[in-house]
Amino acid sequence: DAGVTQSPTHLIKTRGQHVTLRCSPISGHKSVSWYQQVLGQGPQFIFQYYEKEERGRGNFPDRFSARQFPNYSSELNVNALLLGDSALYLCASSPPGAGELFFGEGSRLTVL
Amino acid sequence: GESVGLHLPTLSVQEGDNSIINCAYSNSASDYFIWYKQESGKGPQFIIDIRSNMDKRQGQRVTVLLNKTVKHLSLQIAATQPGDSAVYFCAEFFSSNYKLTFGKGTLLTVNP
Repeated sequence: DAGVTQSPTHLIKTRGQHVTLRCSPISGHKSVSWYQQVLGQGPQFIFQYYEKEERGRGNFPDRFSARQFPNYSSELNVNALLLGDSALYLCASSPPGAGELFFGEGSRLTVL
Repeated sequence: GESVGLHLPTLSVQEGDNSIINCAYSNSASDYFIWYKQESGKGPQFIIDIRSNMDKRQGQRVTVLLNKTVKHLSLQIAATQPGDSAVYFCAEFFSSNYKLTFGKGTLLTVNP
């Protein structure tokens, strides 16, 4: 079975640009969460979506937005990129009623 | 600030020894505590979890202990192997919004 898949795996942007990251959850999982991991630190919660509705939001500015599609895939959008947005962006999915999160390999964003 | 932290940022052990990774937390409202393993360039991988109403749980070669009195969590790895080398994170899970709060991580290095 395929795990959580994310694309692109690596990308480079310049300050002020915007970026869209994509995530496909494990088949049967309806919940998708997004995390930001800065080098040397633990992942930080950004968003959680369930059945296409936002159910949780971390302490991130409005430049960060996300959505979930009818097929449960998800996009994370970041506008007006800053150097500090450089990080590994992780997507995780979870099965209904369970607490375990299954993470993808992440999208490595570098902002120059 | 973060509610989950680790006592030791690095731990170096010999192959075959037992490893103990410690974690302190401050939020008593979490439903689960989870240990994740993250290898270089990969997303976090679930190891084991423990409900907040338990004090011990065993898996294959791993044991998690939870001491709610002193708000302390530990991960014990028996007969540590080179493949166990990775960064280990403890995390609190809140079922209300499926949010994980991660600590900073401990780098475990296993010497052959």
